[in-house]
Amino acid sequence: QVQLVQSGSELKKAGASVNVSCRASGYTFSSYAVNWVRQAPGQGLEWMGWINTYTGNPTYAQGFTGRFVFSLDTSVTTAYLQINSLKPEDTAVYYCARDVIAPTDTWFDPWGQGTLVTVSS
Amino acid sequence: DIQMTQSPSSLSASIGDRVTITCRASQSITSYLNWYQQKPGKAPKLIIYAASSLQSGVPSRFSGSGSGTDFTLTISSLQPEDFATYYCQQTYSTPTFGQGTRLEIK
Repeated sequence: QVQLVQSGSELKKAGASVNVSCRASGYTFSSYAVNWVRQAPGQGLEWMGWINTYTGNPTYAQGFTGRFVFSLDTSVTTAYLQINSLKPEDTAVYYCARDVIAPTDTWFDPWGQGTLVTVSS
Repeated sequence: DIQMTQSPSSLSASIGDRVTITCRASQSITSYLNWYQQKPGKAPKLIIYAASSLQSGVPSRFSGSGSGTDFTLTISSLQPEDFATYYCQQTYSTPTFGQGTRLEIK
């Protein structure tokens, strides 16, 4: 079945970097973009951007430029989110989600199970 | 960015109740509107796409309607497993989500 499996929880100190992986299976990886979504504790969903899995070209939402890097390893059908110079306010659950495009809509399905990143000061 | 406003922010209801959640866009998004269900500690799950299409495997008690700027998600007869937080999302332009509606047991 179509599935996205993310790496496990991370505990980091402020100023460090973290790498979150999102391994896809059950479909042709290069045919669907991957989105990244952040959910801070007790808060709603915030779209961070997406990466074109055919070209590798990333697009970042406002507020997620500079310290955030999307990348791919197509040989293992995996997308990555790297966050540099971590800050305590980066503490959140990070989700990857497959982008499904149709003539009259685009939606995210499925989602990875989420990766909790905790940043201590 | 297009702003999405859900109402209510929270809702208490009983098993068997009919419940409606609304979502308003700050400009027309035609039918580029999706609904997700999120349970505590779990990832969001797609339940409605293109405003009114039911995702495969989702019970038929869920339905969506609307176009342009005003949309609704209706649950016809609440079941215990439906208590969760619901988010609308527009993908007409840069994706944005509503703030969420928390559906609680009365």
